[in-house]
Amino acid sequence: EAGVAQSPRYKIIEKRQSVAFWCNPISGHATLYWYQQILGQGPKLLIQFQNNGVVDDSQLPKDRFSAERLKGVDSTLKIQPAKLEDSAVYLCASSLGGGAGGPGDTQYFGPGTRLTVL
Amino acid sequence: LAKTTQPISMDSYEGQEVNITCSHNNIATNDYITWYQQFPSQGPRFIIQGYKTKVTNEVASLFIPADRKSSTLSLPRVSLSDTAVYYCLVGGPNTGFQKLVFGTGTRLLVSP
Repeated sequence: EAGVAQSPRYKIIEKRQSVAFWCNPISGHATLYWYQQILGQGPKLLIQFQNNGVVDDSQLPKDRFSAERLKGVDSTLKIQPAKLEDSAVYLCASSLGGGAGGPGDTQYFGPGTRLTVL
Repeated sequence: LAKTTQPISMDSYEGQEVNITCSHNNIATNDYITWYQQFPSQGPRFIIQGYKTKVTNEVASLFIPADRKSSTLSLPRVSLSDTAVYYCLVGGPNTGFQKLVFGTGTRLLVSP
């Protein structure tokens, strides 16, 4: 079974530029998550999709971050414009269930995209 | 949402058993306890999940006392490759789409 795919793996941009990340979840997984992980910290959930609907985006900085999940499969996360503090690893994960933490809600993570904002 | 507390770091030597304890005093009746492992430059990986008593798989054991206010992840005979960050998460199926919160985790360093 193929895992969660993400691209690119690395990205270096200057502040005020735009950047987009792509995620392809495991086939059949209804729930997709985007996390931001700053060096030395645990992953912080930015947005959670159930199929193609947003169920939690309370920690997404909506003035600069946006995300979509077209047709309930692939997803893109965009930052426009980027700030220095956006330097982090952006992780995509998917799960079969609704993501509340019980059986069947195991999250499978991709390798992440390391973003450096100069 | 149950808050978890775990040690920031632990050190061990190859071949030893490592026990990492997580406190979750306000765990709800329907919450499960899940542990993830994260290596540098990789996303977290599921290790084990449990509800009560003891769960064992090929990687680890999870001990949960009767009051469920804490849990202990046990790694038998660790090797250098077990050096990683370990996260304890608590959540349940009756909380809807409530998000699981990753804390700072426990950084385990295994030395020769």
